[in-house]
Amino acid sequence: AQSVSQHNHHVILSEAASLELGCNYSYGGTVNLFWYVQYPGQHLQLLLKYFSGDPLVKGIKGFEAEFIKSKFSFNLRKPSVQWSDTAEYFCAVLPDSNYQLIWGAGTKLIIKP
Amino acid sequence: DGGITQSPKYLFRKEGQNVTLSCEQNLNHDAMYWYRQDPGQGLRLIYYSQIVNDFQKGDIAEGYSVSREKKESFPLTVTSAQKNPTAFYLCASSSIRSEKLFFGSGTQLSVL
Repeated sequence: AQSVSQHNHHVILSEAASLELGCNYSYGGTVNLFWYVQYPGQHLQLLLKYFSGDPLVKGIKGFEAEFIKSKFSFNLRKPSVQWSDTAEYFCAVLPDSNYQLIWGAGTKLIIKP
Repeated sequence: DGGITQSPKYLFRKEGQNVTLSCEQNLNHDAMYWYRQDPGQGLRLIYYSQIVNDFQKGDIAEGYSVSREKKESFPLTVTSAQKNPTAFYLCASSSIRSEKLFFGSGTQLSVL
């Protein structure tokens, strides 16, 4: 079955630390990849997406993600986090065989000021 | 302001009762979705609709029903057949094939 795995359910970092949130999926075909973010008290919103081309994609607020096809991964990174990055982050995959997104369980990120 | 409005924010259901969650969008999106979110799990698709008067079951449709009589509206009914309805329900919409979803603020449903 197609699935998306996010390695950490909770991550706690200090401000200015570097961030990497893992996302792996199980599907051998073509995929579109997404990271969504939900800030406290706000709607879930798109952070960045990969459809094709350069596997390193840039999103809002200094986030980036790299698609590594051989590893079925789409990890989210940020070189230096801020307190305002505290949120829940969801990875989602859209396989070419399926109309619908498949979601990871989410990672709650807490940044200590 | 364009967006998706879900109501109510909190809802309580008694045993054997049907309850309806509202979802309205003014983004002129064709596709609308209902997701269920449980702690420690990803979003799971309940129902989706790509066009007015048409909808399809998602992964966990049992115990739920929907209608799509208007483009703007996609209400979800949690029926008494849903034995574990306590969850956070999210409505979303998109203009094309799931390229970018816009989400509502969600409804927390609890059982009394």
